[in-house]
Amino acid sequence: KQEVTQIPAALSVPEGENLVLNCSFTDSAIYNLQWFRQDPGKGLTSLLLIQSSQREQTSGRLNASLDKSSGRSTLYIAASQPGDSATYLCAVATFGGSTLGRLYFGRGTQLTVWP
Amino acid sequence: GAGVSQSPSNKVTEKGKDVELRCDPISGHTALYWYRQSLGQGLEFLIYFQGNSAPDKSGLPSDRFSAERTGGSVSTLTIQRTQQEDSAVYLCASSLNGGVDTQYFGPGTRLTVL
Repeated sequence: KQEVTQIPAALSVPEGENLVLNCSFTDSAIYNLQWFRQDPGKGLTSLLLIQSSQREQTSGRLNASLDKSSGRSTLYIAASQPGDSATYLCAVATFGGSTLGRLYFGRGTQLTVWP
Repeated sequence: GAGVSQSPSNKVTEKGKDVELRCDPISGHTALYWYRQSLGQGLEFLIYFQGNSAPDKSGLPSDRFSAERTGGSVSTLTIQRTQQEDSAVYLCASSLNGGVDTQYFGPGTRLTVL
């Protein structure tokens, strides 16, 4: 069974810092890996999706990398802002079984960026 | 265009009652997923639809849980004889064809069982 782990569980930093959030997964047979953002009481917003054949994706101040063979991904946030405060979730979509694209989620990293 | 919508946004019910949760996926999306997020737990998969059929129900926690999808669009998740451990946020997602396609999530239904 696929297991996804995120480190750290919580992170509190001053505005302007560059951050790295880590995600690891146990089964490398994945379709893709997604990073989501979840604000309190809200649904999930997709930030970046990396296909299994790709190494990284970038969107604005966000950069996500994928090393499928080692089962790791990192989300890099440049020049953090208070508006980045949220919970960041990593999820992998797997092969196998009868579900196309079933997502396995980590428990998230709760990020607080203070002014 | 419109995203995934879910209703109700909040539901409070008494133990033993039945509840229905609704999901309206993005128009044209053939794949639909239900997930559950319990306090202190990660998001867990419940069920997957491709069109109107559900090839994977492996995540449903008990036979009190069932789901259907009609017309390849709206889906309803039904929980019978609710228990306090059913309290959670229930999230629905849809994607164009499943597999490698991005999943778009709705805002969720927060269920509280008293």
